[in-house]
Amino acid sequence: DAGITQSPRYKITETGRQVTLMCHQTWSHSYMFWYRQDLGHGLRLIYYSAAADITDKGEVPDGYVVSRSKTENFPLTLESATRSQTSVYFCASSDGDPSPLHFGNGTRLTVT
Amino acid sequence: QKEVEQNSGPLSVPEGAIASLNCTYSDRGSQSFFWYRQYSGKSPELIMFIYSNGDKEDGRFTAQLNKASQYVSLLIRDSQPSDSATYLCAVKAGNTPLVFGKGTRLSVIA
Repeated sequence: DAGITQSPRYKITETGRQVTLMCHQTWSHSYMFWYRQDLGHGLRLIYYSAAADITDKGEVPDGYVVSRSKTENFPLTLESATRSQTSVYFCASSDGDPSPLHFGNGTRLTVT
Repeated sequence: QKEVEQNSGPLSVPEGAIASLNCTYSDRGSQSFFWYRQYSGKSPELIMFIYSNGDKEDGRFTAQLNKASQYVSLLIRDSQPSDSATYLCAVKAGNTPLVFGKGTRLSVIA
């Protein structure tokens, strides 16, 4: 099915471990985004990408790494997970600027 | 720091009434405005977007934009229990990424 898919849906990891959240979209949208959503903070932008091989920091990029070697994939890596990175992570895409965002189903990450 | 402010709620309205959700923003250069609905445990989904001053209607939903007052609102007519969700306002200025408010939780009472 066409759309935007995140994996895994749920992940539990330990402090200090590296973890990668995957995001794949089938629309060939040029823009892709990673947000985290926490109670009291709403949706905060971590990183975004306007095209393959182009990435930019958002509001809360520290501790995260992204890459975009192909238009359809935008993985988010936590290099050394911390408890403060426990959150729900949403990937989103859009076909232009400005254009509405289309969100994936989210990944609930717990860092113990 | 660009800010988008929403009352966190909960906003409680009876079934069949009009729900009015409000959003203010700090960046006068903002040009694009979006309303998303998010059910508990789900991802945000787009309801409407508006770019020009005035009203924009789509079914039971009306978005209202007043750039002079830096104010955008969402009206939901004939509110239904299925409209109970958190409503997120999002604002975009120029080439900067979308900024989301923290959302208003709406509860429609049957």
